[in-house]
Amino acid sequence: AQSVTQLDSQVPVFEEAPVELRCNYSSSVSVYLFWYVQYPNQGLQLLLKYLSGSTLVKGINGFEAEFNKSQTSFHLRKPSVHISDTAEYFCAVMRRTGGFKTIFGAGTRLFVKA
Amino acid sequence: DGGITQSPKYLFRKEGQNVTLSCEQNLNHDAMYWYRQDPGQGLRLIYYSHIVNDFQKGDIAEGYSVSREKKESFPLTVTSAQKNPTAFYLCASSRQGGDTEAFFGQGTRLTVV
Repeated sequence: AQSVTQLDSQVPVFEEAPVELRCNYSSSVSVYLFWYVQYPNQGLQLLLKYLSGSTLVKGINGFEAEFNKSQTSFHLRKPSVHISDTAEYFCAVMRRTGGFKTIFGAGTRLFVKA
Repeated sequence: DGGITQSPKYLFRKEGQNVTLSCEQNLNHDAMYWYRQDPGQGLRLIYYSHIVNDFQKGDIAEGYSVSREKKESFPLTVTSAQKNPTAFYLCASSRQGGDTEAFFGQGTRLTVV
């Protein structure tokens, strides 16, 4: 079975400051990794995904994430946040074989202050 | 434009009633999913379907039912057996194959009154 732990439920940060949202996962098989963003009262949209290759993945809106296999982590980063980045962020995993259910973390609410 | 449409956006249900949430996609995706979202709990999988006329229970299927008679449509019925149905419901679809992300609808907020 797979599980995803997002280590912070809320992250307040000032505008133009850097931010890191932490994600650890557990799986007995190889997985694909995703970060999604959800704005209030909307569905989720994909920020970025790690399938294979380079462990540093760049996504939309200036976000990037680094896959660390030894630490089973996939932390999301942005060097300078904007007010418009205020949203909830979800880390997710999907096993590479034997079924394609996506398992989501509990989410991290990023609050960017002026 | 291709996408997933959920309706209605807001839904109110009296206790003891069944209600059906609509989900339609024109992305030609084989797989469709229903998730329930509660504050602080992330998304929990209710049901999923990888092909027409076939579906499987997710982690919290009790009190819910689905059908998949057409590739484009995956309606969710919240029955009176669901003891705590007030939540935000999200429908998603994806291509078959694990290296593809899910595409989500805008959600339906169900409130029991």
